[in-house]
Amino acid sequence: AQSVAQPEDQVNVAEGNPLTVKCTYSVSGNPYLFWYVQYPNRGLQFLLKYITGDNLVKGSYGFEAEFNKSQTSFHLKKPSALVSDSALYFCALRRSYNKLIFGAGTRLAVHP
Amino acid sequence: GAVVSQHPSWVICKSGTSVKIECRSLDFQATTMFWYRQFPKQSLMLMATSNEGSKATYEQGVEKDKFLINHASLTLSTLTVTSAHPEDSSFYICSARDRRSVEFFGPGTRLTVL
Repeated sequence: AQSVAQPEDQVNVAEGNPLTVKCTYSVSGNPYLFWYVQYPNRGLQFLLKYITGDNLVKGSYGFEAEFNKSQTSFHLKKPSALVSDSALYFCALRRSYNKLIFGAGTRLAVHP
Repeated sequence: GAVVSQHPSWVICKSGTSVKIECRSLDFQATTMFWYRQFPKQSLMLMATSNEGSKATYEQGVEKDKFLINHASLTLSTLTVTSAHPEDSSFYICSARDRRSVEFFGPGTRLTVL
């Protein structure tokens, strides 16, 4: 069965510090992996995806994620956090044209 | 590019009435659109997959007669909540998949049933 785990309900980071939001997955076969961000009362915004190719994927707003097959992880990172990065972040998994499977979400709080 | 709109952004209706929510891909064609429901502080729950020109595929536990989905064109899908009740109050989000296999999400519709 496919599943996505985001082990942290909330991540707190000081502005200017690097941030990491963790995601691990379970799937048979090759995964398509995505990160989305949701601001209050809004839909999800696409940040980045991994389908094939380089394990380090760069996305919107300075975010990047590293696909690690041996650890079945796809952690989201940013070198220097901004207060405006505070939001709810979702990791998602899909195989081929199947439906997206979402993690529970991680709330990122960046403090000035 | 890759913008998905939803209308209305919020709606309040009386119990027993029907509500239609529109989802449009503004700058790309989407053969597949999806409808999700999100409860407060929870992740998204997929309700159904909508394919242009064919019947929607509903997830287990979702009543297809209550949540009517129509995907009439490559840029428009509609969700109609029929005979709405207070327990149907929720945040409904649509998404559309583009040619690069990425799903882009609409801004969501807040439905409140009195």
